Amino acid sequence: DGGITQSPKYLFRKEGQNVTLSCEQNLNHDAMYWYRQDPGQGLRLIYYSQIVNDFQKGDIAEGYSVSREKKESFPLTVTSAQKNPTAFYLCASRLTLGIGELFFGEGSRLTVL
Amino acid sequence: AQTVTQSQPEMSVQEAETVTLSCTYDTSESDYYLFWYKQPPSRQMILVIRQEAYKQQNATENRFSVNFQKAAKSFSLKISDSQLGDAAMYFCAYSDYGGATNKLIFGTGTLLAVQP
Repeated sequence: DGGITQSPKYLFRKEGQNVTLSCEQNLNHDAMYWYRQDPGQGLRLIYYSQIVNDFQKGDIAEGYSVSREKKESFPLTVTSAQKNPTAFYLCASRLTLGIGELFFGEGSRLTVL
Repeated sequence: AQTVTQSQPEMSVQEAETVTLSCTYDTSESDYYLFWYKQPPSRQMILVIRQEAYKQQNATENRFSVNFQKAAKSFSLKISDSQLGDAAMYFCAYSDYGGATNKLIFGTGTLLAVQP
């Protein structure tokens, strides 16, 4: 079945540690996204990528980094510079630039202890 | 900048009744998409319905329909014959059509409860 797989589903991190959230898609979509969800704030865009080896900052990119070495994969690293990293993270993909809807993964819940 | 506003943080409906969720948006573009997404307790975002701004006809998907008022920049979702499984957070979202920013902008959501 085609879809988006995020892992891990739950992750605990100590302050000062970097963590990487995985996102893999087999939909053959060009565009991929990372959103952060906090209670009462909807979804906010962290980074997005339109093609391999290219990505753009979203609205809240500070403290995060990404890579896009393969079309299928778009991992997100939450660095120790992110001041409030506890949140729910959603990865999504889209067929191509500005066309159609986003398809979402099941999300990853990050908790900083 | 484009914005999306959902003014109803919570709504409640009786099973089998009809409920309407409101959404307004602001944009200077003429070509764009509007979406309603559902987020059940599992937290995966599921597309409910999509509307292209150039289409005058309101989109429908089974029990879900929209009232798209382009001039008023309003995009409400009507759920008919509500079922217990409809209980979820509903997000309205906007996207430029073919836009350079290539992103969806989400409202803050409406939590829908369905009473048996």
